[in-house]
Amino acid sequence: DVKVTQSSRYLVKRTGEKVFLECVQDMDHENMFWYRQDPGLGLRLIYFSYDVKMKEKGDIPEGYSVSREKKERFSLILESASTNQTSMYLCASTLLGQGVGGYTFGSGTRLTVV
Amino acid sequence: GDSVTQMEGPVTLSEEAFLTINCTYTATGYPSLFWYVQYPGEGLQLLLKATKADDKGSNKGFEATYRKETTSFHLEKGSVQVSDSAVYFCALSAPAQGSQGNLIFGKGTKLSVKP
Repeated sequence: DVKVTQSSRYLVKRTGEKVFLECVQDMDHENMFWYRQDPGLGLRLIYFSYDVKMKEKGDIPEGYSVSREKKERFSLILESASTNQTSMYLCASTLLGQGVGGYTFGSGTRLTVV
Repeated sequence: GDSVTQMEGPVTLSEEAFLTINCTYTATGYPSLFWYVQYPGEGLQLLLKATKADDKGSNKGFEATYRKETTSFHLEKGSVQVSDSAVYFCALSAPAQGSQGNLIFGKGTKLSVKP
């Protein structure tokens, strides 16, 4: 089975800190995604990537950046964490051209910014 | 733009009750439609999908039929179990997204099943 691993399940950071959320997949998927999940708002796409060193903004990229130096790893960066970035963050991956429904999600990182 | 609307929860049912979670969509062209499930403390898993009108997706006793005329993809199960307690997300992948097929999610419906 494809595995998408997010490095931390729970994270507490202080306002203004630079935060790195890591995601690694083990099935050579081209596409990788970062979502945030908030009650009543569902899943919102932050950034996605179709290839190494390639990135595209999603619906809510403000306050975030990403890095994809290797195919298997997609990092989400909060440049200066703020309390409104307290959320559940979900990473997903899929094969290029088979994105239709074939997402594999990680277990999520619950980030609290204090 | 493309969007998905699903019924608000939470939905609370007794074991063996019938489940319906409504989902309607707005999209140009002919999207593919999905239901994802998120069990407590986990990420999302694909539950079922349908890629063209009148298709029925099914898995684990859950079913949903792609209704183009009503732009709907309602999730149903004849007899729910406590283990079905989870958050259910309806989603679409629109042709305009091209091969990337980025998914657009509804807000999720939390289901609680009591013994």
